[in-house]
Amino acid sequence: GAGVSQSPRYKVAKRGQDVALRCDPISGHVSLFWYQQALGQGPEFLTYFQNEAQLDKSGLPSDRFFAERPEGSVSTLKIQRTQQEDSAVYLCASSSQGLEMYFGPGTRLTVT
Amino acid sequence: ELKVEQNPLFLSMQEGKNYTIYCNYSTTSDRLYWYRQDPGKSLESLFVLLSNGAVKQEGRLMASLDTKARLSTLHITAAVHDLSATYFCAHSPGGAQKLVFGQGTRLTINP
Repeated sequence: GAGVSQSPRYKVAKRGQDVALRCDPISGHVSLFWYQQALGQGPEFLTYFQNEAQLDKSGLPSDRFFAERPEGSVSTLKIQRTQQEDSAVYLCASSSQGLEMYFGPGTRLTVT
Repeated sequence: ELKVEQNPLFLSMQEGKNYTIYCNYSTTSDRLYWYRQDPGKSLESLFVLLSNGAVKQEGRLMASLDTKARLSTLHITAAVHDLSATYFCAHSPGGAQKLVFGQGTRLTINP
């Protein structure tokens, strides 16, 4: 498939566990974004990469959230010591020219 | 504060009717986007508007942009049931790469 893929699609974590969410962007896309979408809300920006460089992490809600893209392709969003308020859908998006942004299917995280 | 406000937030309409969703944003913007989201699904890009006065149409949907008023509209013509979804507008504030989204408009079209 040519689209953005994310895994896992669903994740249930007990409070206090660490989780890692993966994003495979469209091949060749330089820019990669992570967004958090709470139930019934619009997506909220978390962080942005251009190639392997994390250029904007202003949306990460706490130091428990960490994202990386070491080779400028696949990205991982890690959440340490998960809390109930972290329950949301985590969306990854990629773009090539910085204009059209393509979203993945999302990972639905439920923290119990 | 970066804000994007949509209205209405909920819209129930009959097939065949016309309606408009409004999107106001608080800062200057390079780009304005409209997305569609079906329940449990991701975001589908509908339109990207780049300049003042831009108008784009696809089927029964038409989007326009007024950068001076910081307003975009999504007009639905002769609505059909399969347009039922949540519609989001988003803008990229002043040269930033990230998007700031509105709260979404949940549109339900009844036969």
